[in-house]
Amino acid sequence: AQSVAQPEDQVNVAEGNPLTVKCTYSVSGNPYLFWYVQYPNRGLQFLLKYITGDNLVKGSYGFEAEFNKSQTSFHLKKPSALVSDSALYFCAVSLPGAGSYQLTFGKGTKLSVIP
Amino acid sequence: GAGVSQSPRYKVAKRGQDVALRCDPISGHVSLFWYQQALGQGPEFLTYFQNEAQLDKSGLPSDRFFAERPEGSVSTLKIQRTQQEDSAVYLCASSSEKPLEQYFGPGTRLTVT
Repeated sequence: AQSVAQPEDQVNVAEGNPLTVKCTYSVSGNPYLFWYVQYPNRGLQFLLKYITGDNLVKGSYGFEAEFNKSQTSFHLKKPSALVSDSALYFCAVSLPGAGSYQLTFGKGTKLSVIP
Repeated sequence: GAGVSQSPRYKVAKRGQDVALRCDPISGHVSLFWYQQALGQGPEFLTYFQNEAQLDKSGLPSDRFFAERPEGSVSTLKIQRTQQEDSAVYLCASSSEKPLEQYFGPGTRLTVT
């Protein structure tokens, strides 16, 4: 079985400062990893994914994430936070193969960027 | 172009009532997914369609839950004899032939009283 942990329910960061939202995973095998963002009353929006190759993945809106196999982590980062980045962020994992569509999500981390 | 749309956006049902939730995927997307998101939790997979074929329904929590996509486009999630534990946001997502990039709708918030 696969699982995702987002250890922080909430992250507060000042506008202009770098931000990190943490994610660790547990799977048997090599994972596919994803980050989604959810704004109020809107659906989840895809930010980025790691499938294979370069461990540093760049995505939408200036976000990036680094796959660390030894630490089983996939933390989301941005060099300079914007107030508009305030939202709920979800990390997700799936396994390669026929069932790769089945995403397992973490519980989410609420990011608040303070002006 | 238009994204994934869902209707209704909000639904209040009395315990024991049947409900039907609709999803209109992005035009041309062959894959369609339903997820259930309880308050304060991440979405949980319910079921997966490829065109009109339901290829995976392993996440449906009970036989009261039924999903269909008869013409390979619009999908309906039906919940019979609703219970309070069914209260959640139901999310629909669609994708092209690459199911790894799923595009989500805004969800239907179901409240069972």
